[in-house]
Amino acid sequence: DAKTTQPPSMDCAEGRAANLPCNHSTISGNEYVYWYRQIHSQGPQYIIHGLKNNETNEMASLIITEDRKSSTLILPHATLRDTAVYYCIVRAISSGSARQLTFGSGTQLTVLP
Amino acid sequence: ETGVTQTPRHLVMGMTNKKSLKCEQHLGHNAMYWYKQSAKKPLELMFVYNFKEQTENNSVPSRFSPECPNSSHLFLHLHTLQPEDSALYLCASSQDASTSGTVQYFGPGTRLLVL
Repeated sequence: DAKTTQPPSMDCAEGRAANLPCNHSTISGNEYVYWYRQIHSQGPQYIIHGLKNNETNEMASLIITEDRKSSTLILPHATLRDTAVYYCIVRAISSGSARQLTFGSGTQLTVLP
Repeated sequence: ETGVTQTPRHLVMGMTNKKSLKCEQHLGHNAMYWYKQSAKKPLELMFVYNFKEQTENNSVPSRFSPECPNSSHLFLHLHTLQPEDSALYLCASSQDASTSGTVQYFGPGTRLLVL
């Protein structure tokens, strides 16, 4: 699976948009980009995923660059409850079976009042 | 609520005890997973079951023994654990373990302390 690089920490003011970057310069054509978050001591929560096109759901938007080497997760109006570690993960199919999610260190997002 | 439940939520056990962790998913999925998360470390995949068959064992010590009696239930049997096995144990499920675009949904985890 492609390696991902994320900043270790970011702050965001409550009510503002939080933009979390992720670099995955070695991503292959069949690899999806997933975003999960983990609030302290809880199970990871799925946020969004995409392959090529930008995606949006009720939680966030995912912007993938045209060359697919980086992506940005956007939380449009951050709240205090969005404080968590955010993980960017790429996942591929290999020899007919999918490689499993590999969680890195993620980005600790702190939403400030 | 993700549709994946885990019991117990907290467990303290001695090194000579035998205990089991239980996971149940109500999503109609066919794949289930066990992950371990130690303090200050990334999640580590332990086991994968797809359609009740174990498809992955990431060199997990034999003191951890998984069981998947059906697609909705997953157990992790624990015996003669070590203090370094203390961690958050997470269960997840997905529609199918062999499809790249599938999403894994996680339970709340069991916080295990081995004394």
